[in-house]
Amino acid sequence: DQQVKQNSPSLSVQEGRISILNCDYTNSMFDYFLWYKKYPAEGPTFLISISSIKDKNEDGRFTVFLNKSAKHLSLHIVPSQPGDSAVYFCAANILNSGYALNFGKGTSLLVTP
Amino acid sequence: DAGVIQSPRHEVTEMGQEVTLRCKPISGHNSLFWYRQTMMRGLELLIYFNNNVPIDDSGMPEDRFSAKMPNASFSTLKIQPSEPRDSAVYFCASSPGGTENTEAFFGQGTRLTVV
Repeated sequence: DQQVKQNSPSLSVQEGRISILNCDYTNSMFDYFLWYKKYPAEGPTFLISISSIKDKNEDGRFTVFLNKSAKHLSLHIVPSQPGDSAVYFCAANILNSGYALNFGKGTSLLVTP
Repeated sequence: DAGVIQSPRHEVTEMGQEVTLRCKPISGHNSLFWYRQTMMRGLELLIYFNNNVPIDDSGMPEDRFSAKMPNASFSTLKIQPSEPRDSAVYFCASSPGGTENTEAFFGQGTRLTVV
């Protein structure tokens, strides 16, 4: 059973506009969430994370929002750039549990010029 | 640091053959993960080692799959016999481990094609 869900397989956004990638989770024990970015023929690379004690974390053009009551998080990229075109994976974990990261299926983002 | 190193990058093999994928984690990392990426299932965890000991292998599809970590700097994932449905990209990842299992660092993956 998929505990982390990314229901949009793909998203297309114009350069300069905002990209919003969504992620839902089912396990209420998850308390640490991450976004990874993956280019073709490369491994996923860490992008940004958020702990459940926060509802927002910002790093440059990237902001992650967490809504614990809805078990939902989102990644906002603004402004979007063509180089942001990649597959974005949402992941969740339980800190201090020794568990491995639990990933969603990914969302393929295409930023068009 | 060179990061997580996987070999080979690409592997094409015939159905029924044995396939061995290799991984060298980042030095000093205590946790090692094998993931498989497919279109249908995304990134799924196959097995997870902590201090060279398998902690969770519930994601290993069947007995045809086996993984070992003989020491802190090397791990293998073996498929014997291989089948076409095993075709996927296999990633190895490592993290500092212990109770602070936060970010995992991924290798570049091995693209396996079984014909």
